[in-house]
Amino acid sequence: KNEVEQSPQNLTAQEGEFITINCSYSVGISALHWLQQHPGGGIVSLFMLSSGKKKHGRLIATINIQEKHSSLHITASHPRDSAVYICAFLRHQGGSEKLVFGKGTKLTVNP
Amino acid sequence: DTGVSQNPRHKITKRGQNVTFRCDPISEHNRLYWYRQTLGQGPEFLTYFQNEAQLEKSRLLSDRFSAERPKGSFSTLEIQRTEQGDSAMYLCASSPGTSGGIYNEQFFGPGTRLTVL
Repeated sequence: KNEVEQSPQNLTAQEGEFITINCSYSVGISALHWLQQHPGGGIVSLFMLSSGKKKHGRLIATINIQEKHSSLHITASHPRDSAVYICAFLRHQGGSEKLVFGKGTKLTVNP
Repeated sequence: DTGVSQNPRHKITKRGQNVTFRCDPISEHNRLYWYRQTLGQGPEFLTYFQNEAQLEKSRLLSDRFSAERPKGSFSTLEIQRTEQGDSAMYLCASSPGTSGGIYNEQFFGPGTRLTVL
């Protein structure tokens, strides 16, 4: 079982709709990351959060550490928001560290 | 451009050939990561460097894979005797590491897409 589960896997919306992507994880973490990946591969970090809520433009991320759940919301969605959205947490182990990723949610926003 | 760069962006090779990818991290980032991503999946960890020291290597990496980071600057990832199953996007990321106990984000390069025929 993956340590990070995202839902839905695929999401199609009409321009202007409110979008919610969910992320659940099974281990204790200190912070969760939301990342955006456009076709072609480049990954951009959107948020890193350890509690509560963060907002950047039309993007809002929330997290409940106790319930091991986070959500990414997009208000007034636009076709340029079409991308894969990935959540991940940082694992520290024996002097090493790495991001552990979910499989991603592919969002398509139609005009 | 002061971001993470990777070369080449695309590589097509025949099975059995060796390939080498390069990653140039953001200047002064002491932490460097390699990840691999196959179609429809999230990235998976391959290896981690802190300065020039390779601190972890995933079990995903067989002995055909080797990574180096001489002098703690750029890094190379070599795959020997490539197999069709090696076809994937290879992503590099760098980070300045922790500052005052606060984790700093990882910055990703554009990736190298490998196709093994």
